[in-house]
Amino acid sequence: DAGITQSPRHKVTETGTPVTLRCHQTENHRYMYWYRQDPGHGLRLIHYSYGVKDTDKGEVSDGYSVSRSKTEDFLLTLESATSSQTSVYFCAISPRDSENEKLFFGSGTQLSVL
Amino acid sequence: AQKITQTQPGMFVQEKEAVTLDCTYDTSDPSYGLFWYKQPSSGEMIFLIYQGSYDQQNATEGRYSLNFQKARKSANLVISASQLGDSAMYFCAMRPINDYKLSFGAGTTVTVRA
Repeated sequence: DAGITQSPRHKVTETGTPVTLRCHQTENHRYMYWYRQDPGHGLRLIHYSYGVKDTDKGEVSDGYSVSRSKTEDFLLTLESATSSQTSVYFCAISPRDSENEKLFFGSGTQLSVL
Repeated sequence: AQKITQTQPGMFVQEKEAVTLDCTYDTSDPSYGLFWYKQPSSGEMIFLIYQGSYDQQNATEGRYSLNFQKARKSANLVISASQLGDSAMYFCAMRPINDYKLSFGAGTTVTVRA
């Protein structure tokens, strides 16, 4: 199994509070991704990183920011959580940005915004 | 984002029978990769099978095979000899050569009956 750890695994927070989710990898992979999973939508890309301090937006990036100060860590921040951000969040990693490279996923973080 | 369509929200299959999960995609990219992932009730994302758009033969991995019809832009997953452990959500995904971001369909839930 790919060495990917997401923390926390579960979190309940209130609307308007900041939240940070952490993804830690031990594979030294260059590419890291944050997805959210919602019923009827599958997984949708929030942000991704192609190196330390190199990040870019995905298709559902509004309300989220990311940071990557080290190869192994990719942080997802909800600056002011809203109920629409209640979701399961997955981190994924990949050694190369190629059409034939599969992604390895973490175990997910269940976030509830009340 | 690329469009991936899985039209079957849920399916039932009898144990030991085969089941086909439909997936169609829309892309103008000349090269792309197609992936299937399994998500059991425990929540993790498990890679099952990969098909390259230029591959001449359909991919197979044990009981999983991919029925790839490039002209129809379809990449159906066939699970043969279904087992109770195959009960899960299955996601079709595509990674095109132009931006390498993995896009997912909405998923199909498979329930295997004894």
